[in-house]
Amino acid sequence: AQKVTQAQTEISVVEKEDVTLDCVYETRDTTYYLFWYKQPPSGELVFLIRRNSFDEQNEISGRYSWNFQKSTSSFNFTITASQVVDSAVYFCALLPSIYNQGGKLIFGQGTELSVKP
Amino acid sequence: NAGVTQTPKFQVLKTGQSMTLQCAQDMNHNSMYWYRQDPGMGLRLIYYSASEGTTDKGEVPNGYNVSRLNKREFSLRLESAAPSQTSVYFCASSEIWDPASGNTIYFGEGSWLTVV
Repeated sequence: AQKVTQAQTEISVVEKEDVTLDCVYETRDTTYYLFWYKQPPSGELVFLIRRNSFDEQNEISGRYSWNFQKSTSSFNFTITASQVVDSAVYFCALLPSIYNQGGKLIFGQGTELSVKP
Repeated sequence: NAGVTQTPKFQVLKTGQSMTLQCAQDMNHNSMYWYRQDPGMGLRLIYYSASEGTTDKGEVPNGYNVSRLNKREFSLRLESAAPSQTSVYFCASSEIWDPASGNTIYFGEGSWLTVV
């Protein structure tokens, strides 16, 4: 089965706190991509990161960092020193195979992050 | 840069009415998609078009039809709208075979549809 689970439905933090959003995926494919998207209150989906299954290096982009661990099928997202503008719904998604011409992203349920001043 | 543009942004329909959601992309992508977003369920794929001239069903195709008009445009039609189709609809596009973009899928801004 192909599945993405974001167990945290809602998270609330105070500004400047660090916060980690969890993502666990299931796939039998050996080649796949993982994504994180941000959906701010305005509604659009903003691409944050793409990671392929052969690259387990952690990535840092400013206050954002991603921890990809194939051993635990997890692709967690950490925001350091959170800001009010980080308030959004965050989606983790799986693309099971790069040879899948359908490009059928499988989304998690999303985690709503609220950062309070 | 426009990216993926979809219209209308908001629409209210009566049960049984029909309508078409329009989508256009200016990134010269071969693949285009329609997703719907419902509370607590993430996004689910309705239909997709891997390339111009082809369309295939996704996870939740019932009640919808699509047309890949040309490489740029991919429309979604509700023939007889039902309250269960109240949702936010997203069009998306990608270039599967481009190593540079590597399967990144770009989304439009969403269309809020209410069926009463």
